[in-house]
Amino acid sequence: KAGVTQTPRYLIKTRGQQVTLSCSPISGHRSVSWYQQTPGQGLQFLFEYFSETQRNKGNFPGRFSGRQFSNSRSEMNVSTLELGDSALYLCASSLQPGGSEKLFFGSGTQLSVL
Amino acid sequence: QKEVEQNSGPLSVPEGAIASLNCTYSDRVSQSFFWYRQYSGKSPELIMSIYSNGDKEDGRFTAQLNKASQYVSLLIRDSQPSDSATYLCAVPTGTYKYIFGTGTRLKVLA
Repeated sequence: KAGVTQTPRYLIKTRGQQVTLSCSPISGHRSVSWYQQTPGQGLQFLFEYFSETQRNKGNFPGRFSGRQFSNSRSEMNVSTLELGDSALYLCASSLQPGGSEKLFFGSGTQLSVL
Repeated sequence: QKEVEQNSGPLSVPEGAIASLNCTYSDRVSQSFFWYRQYSGKSPELIMSIYSNGDKEDGRFTAQLNKASQYVSLLIRDSQPSDSATYLCAVPTGTYKYIFGTGTRLKVLA
């Protein structure tokens, strides 16, 4: 069974640009959540999607947005990039949202904003 | 107050010793608790989950949960250099939101 696939693996952007990251969950998993990981802050929850609906959102500005498609694949978009957006962005899938579900992480997208 | 707290370490233990990793959480309604291991440059991987008070053993790993004290721990017996990694405590809240601790970096010395 294929794992969680995130693309691209690395991205270099400049301030003010926008970026779109993609995540394909494990087959049969309908929940996708996104996290930002930085050395100082650790893993910070961005948002979670289930059945194409955003179920919860973390404390991030509106520049961070996402969506989920009918095949459970998800995209995350960051507009007007800032230097502080440089981080590892991780996607995780699970069968169902929240509760006692175990998360399975992708390899992440390393975003560098110059 | 942080919702999930861990000592950042590094926690250094000699090979063969028991490594004890601790985590406290603030949300009393939390019902499930997870430990993830993250090697440097890699993504987190689930190693243990625990839902009930007491101990849960899986090979060299034992998770311990005390809901009254809002405390969960991970013991690694017979620690190996390959156990050197950052261990993340994760606590899902009632609103589908997972809160991660900042992780404890473990170094097992050969």
